[in-house]
Amino acid sequence: AQSVAQPEDQVNVAEGNPLTVKCTYSVSGNPYLFWYVQYPNRGLQFLLKYITGDNLVKGSYGFEAEFNKSQTSFHLKKPSALVSDSALYFCAAPTSYDKVIFGPGTSLSVIP
Amino acid sequence: DAGVIQSPRHEVTEMGQEVTLRCKPISGHNSLFWYRQTMMRGLELLIYFNNNVPIDDSGMPEDRFSAKMPNASFSTLKIQPSEPRDSAVYFCASRVTGELFFGEGSRLTVL
Repeated sequence: AQSVAQPEDQVNVAEGNPLTVKCTYSVSGNPYLFWYVQYPNRGLQFLLKYITGDNLVKGSYGFEAEFNKSQTSFHLKKPSALVSDSALYFCAAPTSYDKVIFGPGTSLSVIP
Repeated sequence: DAGVIQSPRHEVTEMGQEVTLRCKPISGHNSLFWYRQTMMRGLELLIYFNNNVPIDDSGMPEDRFSAKMPNASFSTLKIQPSEPRDSAVYFCASRVTGELFFGEGSRLTVL
């Protein structure tokens, strides 16, 4: 079955430190991969996507993600975390018939 | 553009009542998705439409749930009769290709 996994429910990082939120995928064909962020009581917002080409993708708010085909991973990264980055992060991928599935989400807390 | 618009933002109802959630996608977007978010199950895809046609409704929990898209600018998700376990945040999202654009969600509480 096609799936998207986020192995960590919670990630804590100190303000100013680099952050990583992990995602692994299992989809058929060439994967299209996305990251979204959700702030409390809000809808999900698109951060960045990998379609093809450069394995390092840059997105909104200083976030970037690294696609690794051999490890089937698409980890989200930021060099220096801000308190305002605290939110719920979702990795997503379209599967057959363009059905878009999401990982379970990772709650990021940036500690001042 | 105003983005994806959902209504109501909050709904509190009693078990057995009919609930209708509404969504207006972004103009020009030809795909529309309904998701349900709960703490226990995360984000679940309920149904999605392409060019107003339902493509996959395998995520609809049971016959109490139904969704329609009568035209390109409007969709409804109906629950009849509602049950307490239907309490969740329901999101509508639309797109052309690539990323989804989400509405702010409809928080449903069934007592």
